Amino acid sequence: GAVVSQHPSWVICKSGTSVKIECRSLDFQATTMFWYRQFPKQSLMLMATSNEGSKATYEQGVEKDKFLINHASLTLSTLTVTSAHPEDSSFYICSGEAGLAGVGADTQYFGPGTRLTVL
Amino acid sequence: LAKTTQPISMDSYEGQEVNITCSHNNIATNDYITWYQQFPSQGPRFIIQGYKTKVTNEVASLFIPADRKSSTLSLPRVSLSDTAVYYCLVGGAGGGNKLTFGTGTQLKVEL
Repeated sequence: GAVVSQHPSWVICKSGTSVKIECRSLDFQATTMFWYRQFPKQSLMLMATSNEGSKATYEQGVEKDKFLINHASLTLSTLTVTSAHPEDSSFYICSGEAGLAGVGADTQYFGPGTRLTVL
Repeated sequence: LAKTTQPISMDSYEGQEVNITCSHNNIATNDYITWYQQFPSQGPRFIIQGYKTKVTNEVASLFIPADRKSSTLSLPRVSLSDTAVYYCLVGGAGGGNKLTFGTGTQLKVEL
């Protein structure tokens, strides 16, 4: 249980274009989803918290107009990188929060990640 | 958010038991302790979660002392495929809790 998918798994785009990444919870409903970014050899950095039906909450230093997040349903959140530039190249990972039997607290389950390369 | 401290790296050999200890001195009363495993270019994978004492599942055990200021992830008889980064995180039981990832522990398993 608690499977999260991401699409696409990788994308290459030209500078100035926009890229949309989808995050889906396949076998559970996720009221809350999270978006992270990870640069090579570094840890995950939380970008924003996405709540179904409401505006996302962005972490300090993350531009909300550049990283548009939409959480239209309990199983889908999308991250759109607008006007992407080479410095936006990174590994983007989402997670969905679920409470499962045998696990005490609501736990984040992560997607496989999306590798974005901006030329 | 409680801060965690882990060793940057550990080395082991196949078949050995590996114990990775995490310090979380400022853990709150309602915080749970969760461990994740991450392979390169993949999202973190949930390993185990606990609140106190000992928790065991099919892949690992988690030992938490009474003061809960630290925890130890125990991996029995590791194999080459256990080479990965392991993250210890603490967070509340309710929904919407943000996780702060530390540096994690890079475990390298050799023959």
